[in-house]
Amino acid sequence: NAGVTQTPKFRILKIGQSMTLQCTQDMNHNYMYWYRQDPGMGLKLIYYSVGAGITDKGEVPNGYNVSRSTTEDFPLRLELAAPSQTSVYFCASSYQGFSTDTQYFGPGTRLTVL
Amino acid sequence: AQKITQTQPGMFVQEKEAVTLDCTYDTSDPSYGLFWYKQPSSGEMIFLIYQGSYDQQNATEGRYSLNFQKARKSANLVISASQLGDSAMYFCAMRGLNNAGNMLTFGGGTRLMVKP
Repeated sequence: NAGVTQTPKFRILKIGQSMTLQCTQDMNHNYMYWYRQDPGMGLKLIYYSVGAGITDKGEVPNGYNVSRSTTEDFPLRLELAAPSQTSVYFCASSYQGFSTDTQYFGPGTRLTVL
Repeated sequence: AQKITQTQPGMFVQEKEAVTLDCTYDTSDPSYGLFWYKQPSSGEMIFLIYQGSYDQQNATEGRYSLNFQKARKSANLVISASQLGDSAMYFCAMRGLNNAGNMLTFGGGTRLMVKP
């Protein structure tokens, strides 16, 4: 009954470092998303994928990259971390992209860049 | 472009009373979905309830109901018989057809605090 899992839960990076946030879902969902949530705010879309091998930019893609080699996994890569990337990152998935499809979220990764 | 507005940054409610969290939206999509999520202090996003734009009846899920008024473009969440565990941030979100991957567009959230 795992749903959407994310690792790590917490991470502190120094400016200029890189890291990959992992996301895995076991619901055989086609659509996967990465959102970020800044303090006191709603979520904003970074990148999304409609299936293995297909990714596209969301609202705030700068400084990030993604890949989707399998249906289950959708890692988010941060290159050259900056303080502005301090945020909570959520991975989500849905079966399809219809407006009726519920997106299910992972537990989040809290990232601090110092 | 889609927009979600939640005008109540914070609200208090007495335990066992009902509370309404406001949400208004704007979209040009003919078909869309409206969602409410709960975010407790532990941080996860928990799906609560969904309303489709063509649904004739208001959605209900246990103590949660959605007061959907399409003409007014509002989708308010009603929580009946509030419990201490309902204290959390609540986000209204919309999903349409014409944006990136049919992503969710979120409001700024309402912090609900239940008083014993």
